[in-house]
Amino acid sequence: ETGVTQSPTHLIKTRGQQVTLRCSSQSGHNTVSWYQQALGQGPQFIFQYYREEENGRGNFPPRFSGLQFPNYSSELNVNALELDDSALYLCASQQGGENIQYFGAGTRLSVL
Amino acid sequence: DQQVKQNSPSLSVQEGRISILNCDYTNSMFDYFLWYKKYPAEGPTFLISISSIKDKNEDGRFTVFLNKSAKHLSLHIVPSQPGDSAVYFCAASAKVTGKLIFGQGTTLQVKP
Repeated sequence: ETGVTQSPTHLIKTRGQQVTLRCSSQSGHNTVSWYQQALGQGPQFIFQYYREEENGRGNFPPRFSGLQFPNYSSELNVNALELDDSALYLCASQQGGENIQYFGAGTRLSVL
Repeated sequence: DQQVKQNSPSLSVQEGRISILNCDYTNSMFDYFLWYKKYPAEGPTFLISISSIKDKNEDGRFTVFLNKSAKHLSLHIVPSQPGDSAVYFCAASAKVTGKLIFGQGTTLQVKP
């Protein structure tokens, strides 16, 4: 059974650019959530996808968008990057109806 | 509005002694609570959880206690080991939303 994998591990972008982060969910999991973790803080919920449909969204602007594919892998896209977008982005997967989410190692995004 | 709070940023205990990590929440809709452990450069790892219908859940050295009237939960680690040194996050969810709300984390250091 493979765990949650994220790519890339690190990324450096400049303000105004766009970025795409990728996540492969754990085998058998049909629900993916994305979180942003700023330094010294707990992860903050961005949005969740269940069977390719958005299933809840946190307090993030529309320039944060996502996709889930038929194999349940997912992408997080961020447009018009701002300096405050610098953070660790975490992907978590779960089986629909279950409470426990399993996390990947994250992508560290630095916006200069 | 911080719905989940971990008021102690850090905790230091001696190897073999008990570690007690605390968490408070404000939203009475939360019905499931989880603890995650995070090492540097890794994603959060699920540790233990508890449903709101219980007041205690035990798994080996780890026990979580839930006091619904006080909106408080705690994680007990007995005996503490140096390998337990990590950042511990408390998280809560409401079945209706599915998203996890995290506290700010407590850094535990277990000294040999």
